[in-house]
Amino acid sequence: AQTVTQSQPEMSVQEAETVTLSCTYDTSESDYYLFWYKQPPSRQMILVIRQEAYKQQNATENRFSVNFQKAAKSFSLKISDSQLGDAAMYFCAYRTLSGTYKYIFGTGTRLKVLA
Amino acid sequence: NAGVMQNPRHLVRRRGQEARLRCSPMKGHSHVYWYRQLPEEGLKFMVYLQKENIIDESGMPKERFSAEFPKEGPSILRIQQVVRGDSAAYFCASSHRDWGGRTDTQYFGPGTRLTVL
Repeated sequence: AQTVTQSQPEMSVQEAETVTLSCTYDTSESDYYLFWYKQPPSRQMILVIRQEAYKQQNATENRFSVNFQKAAKSFSLKISDSQLGDAAMYFCAYRTLSGTYKYIFGTGTRLKVLA
Repeated sequence: NAGVMQNPRHLVRRRGQEARLRCSPMKGHSHVYWYRQLPEEGLKFMVYLQKENIIDESGMPKERFSAEFPKEGPSILRIQQVVRGDSAAYFCASSHRDWGGRTDTQYFGPGTRLTVL
């Protein structure tokens, strides 16, 4: 069974600085998707970025980028030029391309942005 | 294009009562997933449904929990005889699956926060 591990329960970053959130996963599959979701205090789950495992190029979305290391099963999220609105819980998620396509989430990292 | 709708947003029940949580998927989506988030934890898969079919209920507790997605109307997650341990946020997600599953990103609703007194 697949597992997702986020080893940083909480991180802090100064406004305008860069922060990296870590995520590792375990799977025997060769093709899958990885996601980062943001959950602000409103609890709405907001898709931040998506990575397809068969693509070697790291995904980027404006200030958000990932460092996808398939062999190491690592999928970290880098947030550049951090803003106060980035403060939230961040969840890493894995989705298989077989079976029912359900998501497997990590336990989350709480990001605090300091003014 | 409206997103995934869930109602109610907040639901308070006393122990032993029933809770009904509703989810309307995005327009054109026929796949619905339910997840539960306990306090300070990540989301855990409960059940996956297509119209009129339960495809995967491996994450559902064996008793008191049921789900449906009728041909017409929203998907319903039903919890009978609620207990305090059922207090959690329940999220619904919907997707539109292509043949290869490659565009099967799930879009989440705002969640229903269930509090059992």
